[in-house]
Amino acid sequence: GQNIDQPTEMTATEGAIVQINCTYQTSGFNGLFWYQQHAGEAPTFLSYNVLDGLEEKGRFSSFLSRSKGYSYLLLKELQMKDSASYLCAVDRGSTLGRLYFGRGTQLTVWP
Amino acid sequence: IAGITQAPTSQILAAGRRMTLRCTQDMRHNAMYWYRQDLGLGLRLIHYSNTAGTTGKGEVPDGYSVSRANTDDFPLTLASAVPSQTSVYFCASSPDRVSYNEQFFGPGTRLTVL
Repeated sequence: GQNIDQPTEMTATEGAIVQINCTYQTSGFNGLFWYQQHAGEAPTFLSYNVLDGLEEKGRFSSFLSRSKGYSYLLLKELQMKDSASYLCAVDRGSTLGRLYFGRGTQLTVWP
Repeated sequence: IAGITQAPTSQILAAGRRMTLRCTQDMRHNAMYWYRQDLGLGLRLIHYSNTAGTTGKGEVPDGYSVSRANTDDFPLTLASAVPSQTSVYFCASSPDRVSYNEQFFGPGTRLTVL
């Protein structure tokens, strides 16, 4: 079956660094996405990894290890506006609607 | 229109009523999707369409139907709504390229079935 695990909640303070982990077991793999979702809003794209290693984009970085079925999202210099839910999603590369989402990690950033 | 839109924004519906949620995109994306999002369960795929004229079932298709008559529109119909269908519904689209499949989400429809 499909399984994606993320922590349910995390907290951190402004200016800090936080790492949100995601482990997955899926039938098929064609890349991994991270989305950000603020309360009451739609998910928006943050990052994509298909090869092993680190992808950096400003304050956000994402890492992938395909052999371990593991990814993390690293958020640096946290700001209050980073309080949101972070969704890990695996592209299964099949015809079955492609993306399979984890349940999301609710991050709260305190001043 | 820019991107992907959904209507209505929210709706309160009596159980047993029929309801169609609308979704339109102007990005000429091949693939479109319907998800429901419930607290603690994350996004779950209801139905999808890889191209106009084709549809497929996702993880939780029971009680829902879709059609894809053209590239832009992908309506979701609840034939006879039940309270367990109370949820936030997101429509999404993607270019569905083999090498990269970022999905773009609409703003969502908040549906309450009483």
